[in-house]
Amino acid sequence: EAGVAQSPRYKIIEKRQSVAFWCNPISGHATLYWYQQILGQGPKLLIQFQNNGVVDDSQLPKDRFSAERLKGVDSTLKIQPAKLEDSAVYLCASNHIIRTGRGEQFFGPGTRLTVL
Amino acid sequence: QQPVQSPQAVILREGEDAVINCSSSKALYSVHWYRQKHGEAPVFLMILLKGGEQKGHEKISASFNEKKQQSSLYLTASQLSYSGTYFCGTRSRNSNSGYALNFGKGTSLLVTP
Repeated sequence: EAGVAQSPRYKIIEKRQSVAFWCNPISGHATLYWYQQILGQGPKLLIQFQNNGVVDDSQLPKDRFSAERLKGVDSTLKIQPAKLEDSAVYLCASNHIIRTGRGEQFFGPGTRLTVL
Repeated sequence: QQPVQSPQAVILREGEDAVINCSSSKALYSVHWYRQKHGEAPVFLMILLKGGEQKGHEKISASFNEKKQQSSLYLTASQLSYSGTYFCGTRSRNSNSGYALNFGKGTSLLVTP
């Protein structure tokens, strides 16, 4: 079974530029998450999708971050304009939600963003 | 909301044991444990759903004390491959955020020969 795919793996931009990340979850996984992991910290949820609907985006800085999941499969996360503090690894995760199930999340390799 | 992990870092010799703790200020529905090696994605270890539940995975096991809102991860007879950063992820009972997790800051584990 193929895992969660993300691209690009690395991105270096200057502040105030825009950047987009792509994620393709495991086939059949209805729930998709975007996490931000700053160096030395645990992953922090940015947004959660259930199919193509947003379940939770309470921690997404909506003035600069946006995300979409058209057709309920792959997803893109965009930052516009980027700030220095956005430097982090952006992790995508997915799982197949069953209300009484395991709930384990499968993570992609992440995109390491450096904002100069 | 972020759970607190302790210790922040631990260094072991191969074959030694370690315990990593995770505590929350909120009532918990479940606790997840992940291990992340440098430059790689977090990898799922186990989930604990019921108070008092204990689970095992090879020589790695965990317990969940629902009343104390705490979980502990036990690594016995550590191997070099156990090195990495261990994160606990928690879901609170009154969470309205689906199955998203709040992760601790992590515990860095280094196993030396």
